[in-house]
Amino acid sequence: EAGVTQFPSHSVIEKGQTVTLRCDPISGHDNLYWYRRVMGKEIKFLLHFVKESKQDESGMPNNRFLAERTGGTYSTLKVQPAELEDSGVYFCASSQDFAAGRGAFFGQGTRLTVV
Amino acid sequence: RKEVEQDPGPFNVPEGATVAFNCTYSNSASQSFFWYRQDCRKEPKLLMSVYSSGNEDGRFTAQLNRASQYISLLIRDSKLSDSATYLCVVNYYGGSQGNLIFGKGTKLSVKP
Repeated sequence: EAGVTQFPSHSVIEKGQTVTLRCDPISGHDNLYWYRRVMGKEIKFLLHFVKESKQDESGMPNNRFLAERTGGTYSTLKVQPAELEDSGVYFCASSQDFAAGRGAFFGQGTRLTVV
Repeated sequence: RKEVEQDPGPFNVPEGATVAFNCTYSNSASQSFFWYRQDCRKEPKLLMSVYSSGNEDGRFTAQLNRASQYISLLIRDSKLSDSATYLCVVNYYGGSQGNLIFGKGTKLSVKP
C-alpha cells in the first residue's frame, strides 16, 4: 500500500514568491492534515480536512496560507507571498480513526527555505 | 505551559540498556495517545498507541496514567537502531477527529 506522498521534497524560494506544496494521502483516508515544524520547535498543527471539507483550520498562521482539497483526494498548501519565517518542514498526514488507536501516517515532508 | 512536555534529553545509553521516557499533557480532554519516532530529517512514524491498561510491543512498553496526565515509554535491551527522536503525541477531538498535539521530542542515542 502506498504511503502518504508529498511533493516537492525541497523548495528554496525568495521572499515574496509563491510556493505550492502537494500531498497525496493514503487511499481511503478521509482525514488529511497539514503540520509544520519550524527550526527548534515542535511539530504544530495547521489544518484538518475531512474529505474535501475544512474541519479545523485553527492552526493556519495567517491568510498567506491557503489549503485546498478539491474532490477529497490530494491536497495543496499554497503560501503567497512567502516570508522568511515560513521556512520549515511541512508535513502532511492522513488517518482513518484515532479513536481506534490508529495514529496518523505522515509523508516525508517538504523542506521549505525562504531566502 | 506547553500542551505536551517531554524529557529534554538527549539520552545517551549503551547497547542493551533500558531507557525510559516520560511525557505529561495539560489537556484532560485528551483522548488518544501515541509514541512516534522520528529519524534525522525523516517523517514521524507511529511507534505505538498507548492504552489505559498499558501495552507492550516487543521491547517497547507504554503506560498511561490519566489521573496524573502522564505517559511513559520504556525501551528494553536498546539496539543501535533505536537511536532516534521519540515524540509524545496526544489527540483530543470535539466534533471530529481533531488533531495531534506533539511534544518537542526526546533524542535517544544508543552507543556500541
